Amino acid sequence: AQTIHQWPVAEIKAVGSPLSLGCTIKGKSSPNLYWYWQATGGTLQQLFYSITVGQVESVVQLNLSASRPKDDQFILSTEKLLLSHSGFYLCAWSQVTYEQYFGPGTRLTVL
Amino acid sequence: TQTVSQSDAHVTVFEGDSVELRCNYSYGGSIYLSWYIQHHGHGLQFLLKYYSGNPVVQGVNGFEAEFSKSDSSFHLRKASVHWSDSAVYFCAVSLNSAGNKLTFGIGTRVLVRP
Repeated sequence: AQTIHQWPVAEIKAVGSPLSLGCTIKGKSSPNLYWYWQATGGTLQQLFYSITVGQVESVVQLNLSASRPKDDQFILSTEKLLLSHSGFYLCAWSQVTYEQYFGPGTRLTVL
Repeated sequence: TQTVSQSDAHVTVFEGDSVELRCNYSYGGSIYLSWYIQHHGHGLQFLLKYYSGNPVVQGVNGFEAEFSKSDSSFHLRKASVHWSDSAVYFCAVSLNSAGNKLTFGIGTRVLVRP
């Protein structure tokens, strides 16, 4: 069975500090991978997707970047956090776009 | 560009009641549709999908959805809700199956009262 793990579970960071969030998928080779951002009580905004190692496409610019260093790993990062980066970050995998499987999420609070 | 709208922000029902959550989309061509559920503080869970064939599709936990091309809709239903169905439900659309953009609606928050 496939499992998806996100780390950390939660972060409290200062404005201007760097950030790195991680996502690992086990039990599935060559999945499509996605990063989403969700404001509190809001809908999901797709940030990035990747269909293969080393290849990442940006969907929306939020002063964030993403990388896929391994087939089963997806990293979201920024050099300088903004207040607007606060929210819930979700990683997902899929074989087809419309059937995605999500991780438990990382709650980010920027102060 | 495809869009998806969920007209009900909040729905309250009693345990054992039926519920229908509405989803309408706008796009002229073929479209892939899906529903997801999100319990508070958790990630989303896939419920069901539709692309072609029988317009009524079955999902997990007794959920089903019906596609209507004439109404541009993909409404989600459950005949008898349980307290554990309290969650936010998201409708989503995609123009292809090959791994890029999935657009979510704003979500409908369902509260099931005992």
